[in-house]
Amino acid sequence: EAGVTQFPSHSVIEKGQTVTLRCDPISGHDNLYWYRRVMGKEIKFLLHFVKESKQDESGMPNNRFLAERTGGTYSTLKVQPAELEDSGVYFCASSQGLGLYEQYFGPGTRLTVT
Amino acid sequence: GESVGLHLPTLSVQEGDNSIINCAYSNSASDYFIWYKQESGKGPQFIIDIRSNMDKRQGQRVTVLLNKTVKHLSLQIAATQPGDSAVYFCAENGSNTGKLIFGQGTTLQVKP
Repeated sequence: EAGVTQFPSHSVIEKGQTVTLRCDPISGHDNLYWYRRVMGKEIKFLLHFVKESKQDESGMPNNRFLAERTGGTYSTLKVQPAELEDSGVYFCASSQGLGLYEQYFGPGTRLTVT
Repeated sequence: GESVGLHLPTLSVQEGDNSIINCAYSNSASDYFIWYKQESGKGPQFIIDIRSNMDKRQGQRVTVLLNKTVKHLSLQIAATQPGDSAVYFCAENGSNTGKLIFGQGTTLQVKP
């Protein structure tokens, strides 16, 4: 069974540009999550989809970040315009259910904004 | 607000020794805790979990201890191997939602 995949693995962009990250969850997982780790700090929750609906977007830092999951399969996270403080590793995870269900993480996308 | 923290950013141990990685949490209502291992270039990988109605749970070479009185969680790795070198995160999921709250991570370095 394929795990969670993310694309690209690395992205280097200039401040003010736009970047779109993609996540493909494990097939059949209705729950999809975005997290990020900035500058060696803790991994922080960004948002949670159940199928195509945003269940919790309390961790989204500001309106420069837009997440979508059209059709309830893969998800994209767009940063527009990117700022220096957006640099970090963005992880996607998926799970079959909530609570005690394990969240399976992708390898992450390392975003560098220069 | 909620927070989950680790005591040490880096832990260096000799191969074959036991490792203990600690974590403190602030939300006394937390009822589910998970330890993740993150190797270089990979995403966090589930190691072991524990619910608040338990104080100890064992896996293969790993043991998680939970002390609810002092809100402390620890991960013990027996006979540490070079392959155990990674960043270890504790996480809490106290509200039965999907949102995980992570600690800052401890880098475990295993010396041959």
